[in-house]
Amino acid sequence: DADVTQTPRNRITKTGKRIMLECSQTKGHDRMYWYRQDPGLGLRLIYYSFDVKDINKGEISDGYSVSRQAQAKFSLSLESAIPNQTALYFCATRDSQETQYFGPGTRLLVL
Amino acid sequence: AQTVTQSQPEMSVQEAETVTLSCTYDTSESDYYLFWYKQPPSRQMILVIRQEAYKQQNATENRFSVNFQKAAKSFSLKISDSQLGDAAMYFCAYRSALGNQFYFGTGTSLTVIP
Repeated sequence: DADVTQTPRNRITKTGKRIMLECSQTKGHDRMYWYRQDPGLGLRLIYYSFDVKDINKGEISDGYSVSRQAQAKFSLSLESAIPNQTALYFCATRDSQETQYFGPGTRLLVL
Repeated sequence: AQTVTQSQPEMSVQEAETVTLSCTYDTSESDYYLFWYKQPPSRQMILVIRQEAYKQQNATENRFSVNFQKAAKSFSLKISDSQLGDAAMYFCAYRSALGNQFYFGTGTSLTVIP
């Protein structure tokens, strides 16, 4: 079983809709991250969290919000989706050795 | 924000040959971590190799090795005896020892020619 899972794997939505991407992990790591990947731009950090009470903005947090419901769960929300939020979204955890473990990604298309 | 630059958008290598992917970064800090990640067509991000800046010895993982030049702020990845399964997008990443964010380069797409 995968250590970091993301749901859904693919999603098509319309402009203005609210959408939530979910991430769960079984690695027991406190640190969790949300990234988006765009062609030619690599991965950019949206939000990160060190525990359920510690949420931090990354470099591109505008238009996004997150919730850390438990150590194992970290959700990303788009309150009102827009087409330029079409991207591949990754959740990741990080261990004490500085290694990140990525989920399989969610491909989001906003029409 | 830190800058990580991968100047080779695409590279190709013959099967069984050696290829080197380049990465440079911009930082004023002395203690940090550097990483190479592989992203095959399955889109899963997989850690290939990691280097701590305080270690002078270059990291090695089987056929993968790095050439870490701290003064030049360079961190290249060498893949020896290239295999078809090495074909993927490769990302270089940086994290300050004092910070919490990871910064990624824009990636190099590697093609392995049979």
